[in-house]
Amino acid sequence: DGGITQSPKYLFRKEGQNVTLSCEQNLNHDAMYWYRQDPGQGLRLIYYSQIVNDFQKGDIAEGYSVSREKKESFPLTVTSAQKNPTAFYLCASSSGRGDGNIQYFGAGTRLSVL
Amino acid sequence: GDSVTQMEGPVTLSEEAFLTINCTYTATGYPSLFWYVQYPGEGLQLLLKATKADDKGSNKGFEATYRKETTSFHLEKGSVQVSDSAVYFCALSPYNQGGKLIFGQGTELSVKP
Repeated sequence: DGGITQSPKYLFRKEGQNVTLSCEQNLNHDAMYWYRQDPGQGLRLIYYSQIVNDFQKGDIAEGYSVSREKKESFPLTVTSAQKNPTAFYLCASSSGRGDGNIQYFGAGTRLSVL
Repeated sequence: GDSVTQMEGPVTLSEEAFLTINCTYTATGYPSLFWYVQYPGEGLQLLLKATKADDKGSNKGFEATYRKETTSFHLEKGSVQVSDSAVYFCALSPYNQGGKLIFGQGTELSVKP
């Protein structure tokens, strides 16, 4: 089945620790995105990548880092500089061509601070 | 900058009631418009979309019409079911901005039997 896989489903971070959230897609999409969702709020864009080896900051990039070494993978690292990391993180991808920019989402990773 | 405003929730309806969730937007150019749905603990699923003025998107009994004159994209369903209980997000994709999506804050819908 084609789709987007995020892992782990739940993740716990200790004080001062960096953690990495995985996002893999087998849809052959060029573009990938990371969003943060807080309770009762919409999604806010953290980083996005339109092509391998290139990515741009979104609206709330501080305290996060990404890489895009392979087309199918776009991992997000939540660094110790992110002081309020507890949230639901969603990864998405899109072909970027001819479909009105439809984004397809993974099931999410819920990050909590110990 | 571009933005999306949705009616606040939660919205509570009885089964078979008529649903309207209001969505208005601010954008330059000609954005694409979307409704996504999120069931508890899950990611978002595309519900419907419209890419130009006067387009009507529809899916699973839900409809929304792209109204450029009123900058609106209201979601409607004639008869809701308990299984429609979820959070609904209106979103726009700005023209020529690399496929980014800008989301409204979401509207929680609860349908009672």
